[in-house]
Amino acid sequence: GAVVSQHPSRVICKSGTSVKIECRSLDFQATTMFWYRQFPKKSLMLMATSNEGSKATYEQGVEKDKFLINHASLTLSTLTVTSAHPEDSSFYICSVRGTSGASTDTQYFGPGTRLTVL
Amino acid sequence: GENVEQHPSTLSVQEGDSAVIKCTYSDSASNYFPWYKQELGKRPQLIIDIRSNVGEKKDQRIAVTLNKTAKHFSLHITETQPEDSAVYFCAASINSGYALNFGKGTSLLVTP
Repeated sequence: GAVVSQHPSRVICKSGTSVKIECRSLDFQATTMFWYRQFPKKSLMLMATSNEGSKATYEQGVEKDKFLINHASLTLSTLTVTSAHPEDSSFYICSVRGTSGASTDTQYFGPGTRLTVL
Repeated sequence: GENVEQHPSTLSVQEGDSAVIKCTYSDSASNYFPWYKQELGKRPQLIIDIRSNVGEKKDQRIAVTLNKTAKHFSLHITETQPEDSAVYFCAASINSGYALNFGKGTSLLVTP
C-alpha cells in the first residue's frame, strides 16, 4: 500500500490564527488527494477533493475560503484552516488514491492531524 | 448523492465468536466497497474491499459479501480476538477517483 504522511500530527492554536496541515504521498505520485474531517466518535466526512494543478472541489457546506487547499505537486497537498475558531477543532485526515491497476480505487490514509483551537 | 447506512453502531462479542456488520447504500452506480478499521486516535486502515463484479471475498478471518440487487454489503469477522476491537467503517464509491462515502461506524468490542 501507499505511504502517506501528515504534518503536524497535533497542533494547538489560539482562536483567529491560521493553521497549515501538510499531506505527503511518500512512495508514489498522487494526482488526487482527499481531505476528511472526523469529530470524536463520529464518521469521516469528506471536505474536499484535491487535484494536482487545479482547484479543489469542495463538498456542500464546506467553505472554500475557510479551508484553503493547495495541491501544488504530485506528492504534496496542504489544507489551511484560516482564522480558526474552537468549532474547527477536529481530527483532519488526508487520503491519497492509488495510481496503478486495481489499486486506483483504494484510498490510503494519512495518520491525521489533531487540531485544537483555544 | 450516495448515502451509506451502517448497523449496528456498537457490537460486543465474546472472544472466538463471529461478528457481522451490515451496510446499505443508495446509489446504484456505486461499485467499490471498502471496509476500514480505525483504532482510537489512529488512521483508518483498509482491511478488505470488494468490487461490484464479485459477490464475496475472503481474507483469512475476514470476509465481505455484496448483494447488488438489494444494495447491501456485510463484513464478517470469524474467531474474533481482543485485538479486533476497534471502530469499523464501511464505505462506497464510484470508480475512477471518486471520494468515499462512509457509514457512521461500528464500535466492536471483543471481550476475553
